[in-house]
Amino acid sequence: AQSVTQLDSQVPVFEEAPVELRCNYSSSVSVYLFWYVQYPNQGLQLLLKYLSGSTLVKGINGFEAEFNKSQTSFHLRKPSVHISDTAEYFCAVSDVQGAQKLVFGQGTRLTINP
Amino acid sequence: KAGVTQTPRYLIKTRGQQVTLSCSPISGHRSVSWYQQTPGQGLQFLFEYFSETQRNKGNFPGRFSGRQFSNSRSEMNVSTLELGDSALYLCASSLITGSYEQYFGPGTRLTVT
Repeated sequence: AQSVTQLDSQVPVFEEAPVELRCNYSSSVSVYLFWYVQYPNQGLQLLLKYLSGSTLVKGINGFEAEFNKSQTSFHLRKPSVHISDTAEYFCAVSDVQGAQKLVFGQGTRLTINP
Repeated sequence: KAGVTQTPRYLIKTRGQQVTLSCSPISGHRSVSWYQQTPGQGLQFLFEYFSETQRNKGNFPGRFSGRQFSNSRSEMNVSTLELGDSALYLCASSLITGSYEQYFGPGTRLTVT
């Protein structure tokens, strides 16, 4: 079984400041890793994913994440945030054996202040 | 290409009633998964259907069921509704089962009174 812990439930930052949203996971098997974003009253949109290969993954909207196997982490970063980045961000894992099931963290609410 | 569509978007039901939610996947996608999102429990996997067969099931009571049609459209049903079933129900589709990317619809907001 897998579990995901997002270490911060809320992260307030000023516009144009850098941000890091932290995610740690636990699993007895190899996993794929994902970050999704949810804007108010909308579904989830995939930001980026790690399947294999380079541990630094670049996604949409200027976000990137780094997979650290030894620390079982997959932190999301953006060097300069915009007001439009205000949303809830979810880290998720799935089993590489092929199970379609995504296991999500509790989410981090990112608030950008002008 | 049209995205995942879910109907209805909002629904209000009374305890004890049953409800059916519908999901139309992206054209060509054959796998449909359902998730429940609540403030307390977060996002939880309900089940996945691929080629009209349930392939995976989450830890939900038997009141929650689903099915998939030959055109890959899916429905989920909740019988004997409880207040705790109030949630946003999200549907996600992917090209094949075990796929690395799931595309989510906007969800159906169910309120049970």
